[in-house]
Amino acid sequence: RKEVEQDPGPFNVPEGATVAFNCTYSNSASQSFFWYRQDCRKEPKLLMSVYSSGNEDGRFTAQLNRASQYISLLIRDSKLSDSATYLCVVNRNNFNKFYFGSGTKLNVKP
Amino acid sequence: GAVVSQHPSWVICKSGTSVKIECRSLDFQATTMFWYRQFPKQSLMLMATSNEGSKATYEQGVEKDKFLINHASLTLSTLTVTSAHPEDSSFYICSAGRLARPYEQYFGPGTRLTVT
Repeated sequence: RKEVEQDPGPFNVPEGATVAFNCTYSNSASQSFFWYRQDCRKEPKLLMSVYSSGNEDGRFTAQLNRASQYISLLIRDSKLSDSATYLCVVNRNNFNKFYFGSGTKLNVKP
Repeated sequence: GAVVSQHPSWVICKSGTSVKIECRSLDFQATTMFWYRQFPKQSLMLMATSNEGSKATYEQGVEKDKFLINHASLTLSTLTVTSAHPEDSSFYICSAGRLARPYEQYFGPGTRLTVT
């Protein structure tokens, strides 16, 4: 079983829509969670860390469900510029080991 | 924010030659840097973890004699692809973490290697 699993998508949504992605992780010892965004042929960029209490940054909300071992990313009022692949990353508080999901592709259409 | 650079950003080389890729943390010290490889439409695959002043730790299936990693300082790590072959063509990305926030990685812009 993969350490981190994501629905590859693509999610095709119209501008202004709300879209949510989930990511599941297999190891209950995982402690740190992140969402990264990767544009085509570019490096991943940190979008937000995911805290136990959940956190919000503008149109983006991330939540953690330890009991079910998943994290989620909610994007409200989607913009064309939100089109990208969203990577879920998990760390077991071992600095030397980060686990990447395969990414969820989002296409926001006009 | 933390800035990581890579050089070169793009390289084409002939089969059998070696290619060196540099990864630098420009505005912070990184005791650990990570090297990834990404094939088209696939996720990042961790190749090795590079610790300053010590030998790199390679992931299973990654040949340490083929992918030489040197982490000579707190701001520089290099990956050398030795005797490159066409199947080594890929997008190589490094990342580094800050001591103050060790669980966040900052990625370099990547190096696209094409071996002919």
